[in-house]
Amino acid sequence: NAGVTQTPKFQVLKTGQSMTLQCAQDMNHEYMSWYRQDPGMGLRLIHYSVGAGITDQGEVPNGYNVSRSTTEDFPLRLLSAAPSQTSVYFCASKKGGLVNQPQHFGDGTRLSIL
Amino acid sequence: AQSVSQHNHHVILSEAASLELGCNYSYGGTVNLFWYVQYPGQHLQLLLKYFSGDPLVKGIKGFEAEFIKSKFSFNLRKPSVQWSDTAEYFCAVRAGEGGGADGLTFGKGTHLIIQP
Repeated sequence: NAGVTQTPKFQVLKTGQSMTLQCAQDMNHEYMSWYRQDPGMGLRLIHYSVGAGITDQGEVPNGYNVSRSTTEDFPLRLLSAAPSQTSVYFCASKKGGLVNQPQHFGDGTRLSIL
Repeated sequence: AQSVSQHNHHVILSEAASLELGCNYSYGGTVNLFWYVQYPGQHLQLLLKYFSGDPLVKGIKGFEAEFIKSKFSFNLRKPSVQWSDTAEYFCAVRAGEGGGADGLTFGKGTHLIIQP
């Protein structure tokens, strides 16, 4: 099982550029989420999805868009990158419908905005 | 909205010392509680979780945590740490019964350094 796969692992962007961070899971999980991890801030929820076609905002959604056209994929888009978006991004998924399910995390994407 | 507070941002211990990392949350209803660990250069891994039942939960690698509802706490413990326990530890909470916002709320993390 591949689990949760994030690509790319590293990326450097210039301010104003756009890009998409990819996240895919092969566990048929309904729930998927994106977090960012910053020093001294812990992990913060950006956007989440409870199923295909359904997305919602988390704690820090500004500057990011998501879509969930399939169960497997949950891409995160930066429309116009800003230095404040320099961070490590984690995608996570969990099986829906049951309460007692932990989240599975990808390896992370380290993003630097110059 | 729920919040999670981890009391210590940095902890330095010697090998064989006992460990306790504090975690408090603010939410009055039903919660699911988690401890995740992130070893240097690796992704997050689940250490242990509490959903219901016995408030003392045991996880991997000799870790355990105790849920004390009256104190809104879920402290992580290990009787004797090893050098390989050097990592960042995150406490997380999911409020409610899994509906609505399903994302976890994380604490800011505790950076644990074990000296040989």
